[in-house]
Amino acid sequence: AQSVTQLDSHVSVSEGTPVLLRCNYSSSYSPSLFWYVQHPNKGLQLLLKYTSAATLVKGINGFEAEFKKSETSFHLTKPSAHMSDAAEYFCVVSLGLTGGGNKLTFGTGTQLKVEL
Amino acid sequence: DTGVSQDPRHKITKRGQNVTFRCDPISEHNRLYWYRQTLGQGPEFLTYFQNEAQLEKSRLLSDRFSAERPKGSFSTLEIQRTEQGDSAMYLCASRETGFDETQYFGPGTRLLVL
Repeated sequence: AQSVTQLDSHVSVSEGTPVLLRCNYSSSYSPSLFWYVQHPNKGLQLLLKYTSAATLVKGINGFEAEFKKSETSFHLTKPSAHMSDAAEYFCVVSLGLTGGGNKLTFGTGTQLKVEL
Repeated sequence: DTGVSQDPRHKITKRGQNVTFRCDPISEHNRLYWYRQTLGQGPEFLTYFQNEAQLEKSRLLSDRFSAERPKGSFSTLEIQRTEQGDSAMYLCASRETGFDETQYFGPGTRLLVL
């Protein structure tokens, strides 16, 4: 079964310092992987996605992630944190369903706190 | 705004009552999904429609839950005889046909069962 594990439930950084949110996946084949962000009282927003093209994926708001098959990892990074980055981040793997649809399996989330 | 919309945004009900939520997907998206998110957890898949056909249901979707998408556009999720354990955020997502598996989420309906 496909799954993702987010290694940290909470991460705290100072504004202007790098961000690293860790995610490992389990899949029997090369999966489609996503990072979504959820701000309080707002919907889930797609940050970036990996779909077997380039292993280094750039997303919105300066985030990027690198797919490493040998390590089964898809860690999310950002060079310099901003206060507005404080939110919950979900690593997500996609599983195909009947009729061409897909089911997203979410990790348990990492709460990012950004301090002044 | 042409994103996914959900109504209501919040619902408080008493145990044993029935509730119904509505989701309007992005207009050109023929695939629609329902997820449930409990406090401190990631969303979990409930069910999936392609046009009006419900093609997949999770075992999380008990007999008290029913979802419809009668004309292949908006969808409704009904919970009968609500229980306190049904308290959660109910999320709807949609995507278009094709290889892009990205799903676009609505703001969710937060249900509290007293």
